[in-house]
Amino acid sequence: DAGVTQSPTHLIKTRGQQVTLRCSPKSGHDTVSWYQQALGQGPQFIFQYYEEEERQRGNFPDRFSGHQFPNYSSELNVNALLLGDSALYLCASSLWTEQQETQYFGPGTRLLVL
Amino acid sequence: AQRVTQPEKLLSVFKGAPVELKCNYSYSGSPELFWYVQYSRQRLQLLLRHISRESIKGFTADLNKGETSFHLKKPFAQEEDSAMYYCALSVPLGGYQKVTFGIGTKLQVIP
Repeated sequence: DAGVTQSPTHLIKTRGQQVTLRCSPKSGHDTVSWYQQALGQGPQFIFQYYEEEERQRGNFPDRFSGHQFPNYSSELNVNALLLGDSALYLCASSLWTEQQETQYFGPGTRLLVL
Repeated sequence: AQRVTQPEKLLSVFKGAPVELKCNYSYSGSPELFWYVQYSRQRLQLLLRHISRESIKGFTADLNKGETSFHLKKPFAQEEDSAMYYCALSVPLGGYQKVTFGIGTKLQVIP
């Protein structure tokens, strides 16, 4: 099991563009959470998906949206990119029925907005 | 609102010295607390959680509800402990678990 995988590893975009990041959860996991980690900060919760629905959301604007597929993989979409969206985007997977259990993190996608 | 405070962005200690990484939280209920570690060029991974009361790689952390703290400790630092350490708080919110991370403390163990 490769654990949580994310693609791409790095991405450069310009302001106003749109970006899609992808995540495959750890085998057996059904819940995917997305985090934004700006330089020098801890991960900030964006949203969580389970059963192809957004279950909870952090304090992020509607420009941030997501999707979960039947195979539990997930995408994070960001529209109208701003310079401040430059960050490491982390995906974490877990089991919905064991929410007290740990999350397993992917290596992240580093997004640079110019 | 839930909050996690890690007051030190950088902590430098000599090899063999004791280590204490501080974490304070704000939450009125019963929290779940975690320490995550990120070694250079590696992904974020769980180090330990208070509910399991484990000692991982010589690290321990005790939940002090009176002081709302969950400090991470190790009696003798090793060079391989150099990494970023994040304290995280998980609380129930409307049937879900909301996780809040601190900003992290970089531990630098000097040989």
